Amino acid sequence: GQQVMQIPQYQHVQEGEDFTTYCNSSTTLSNIQWYKQRPGGHPVFLIQLVKSGEVKKQKRLTFQFGEAKKNSSLHITATQTTDVGTYFCVGGGFKTIFGAGTRLFVKA
Amino acid sequence: DADVTQTPRNRITKTGKRIMLECSQTKGHDRMYWYRQDPGLGLRLIYYSFDVKDINKGEISDGYSVSRQAQAKFSLSLESAIPNQTALYFCATSDYRGYGYTFGSGTRLTVV
Repeated sequence: GQQVMQIPQYQHVQEGEDFTTYCNSSTTLSNIQWYKQRPGGHPVFLIQLVKSGEVKKQKRLTFQFGEAKKNSSLHITATQTTDVGTYFCVGGGFKTIFGAGTRLFVKA
Repeated sequence: DADVTQTPRNRITKTGKRIMLECSQTKGHDRMYWYRQDPGLGLRLIYYSFDVKDINKGEISDGYSVSRQAQAKFSLSLESAIPNQTALYFCATSDYRGYGYTFGSGTRLTVV
């Protein structure tokens, strides 16, 4: 069945370092969404990508949707302690599937 | 007030008890969802509803039931709680395209 794999599962970075999480789908997606969940919190919608090859930026965050619409990435430049949390990709298609998330730890 | 409100926030119950988790939303959306979150497994869909008369099973519906009382209200019931239903439960709503889910703050359920 349709699967959305997200890597890495965990990432420890020093404050100021960059961070990237990758999302791969077993099937072509109609769209991909990204969410952030702070420790003890609930997922919060960050962005949605719909077009093949689409790139969107939100301040230090850069989101990409692959040309084949089967993969996506979220890149954070110069991480800050406020970036800690779990980042989920959500693949939209016949079904909406959540990736397992990448948990980001930032050391000050 | 929050767009999606879940009650209770925390609950400890005994094995075999019936429990209901409630969710209400003020977004005016037709689509509502119940998810379960376990460490390392992300969010898994239990049930979803696209309008008041529409109820659909998700990937892990066994042991759960739902009721859509109104456009704004969607409740989740555990008919006979068991310990492996201990988890964090989220209610969510989205627009008709399924874009930009808004989640509630979650209910942490412990079954002992």
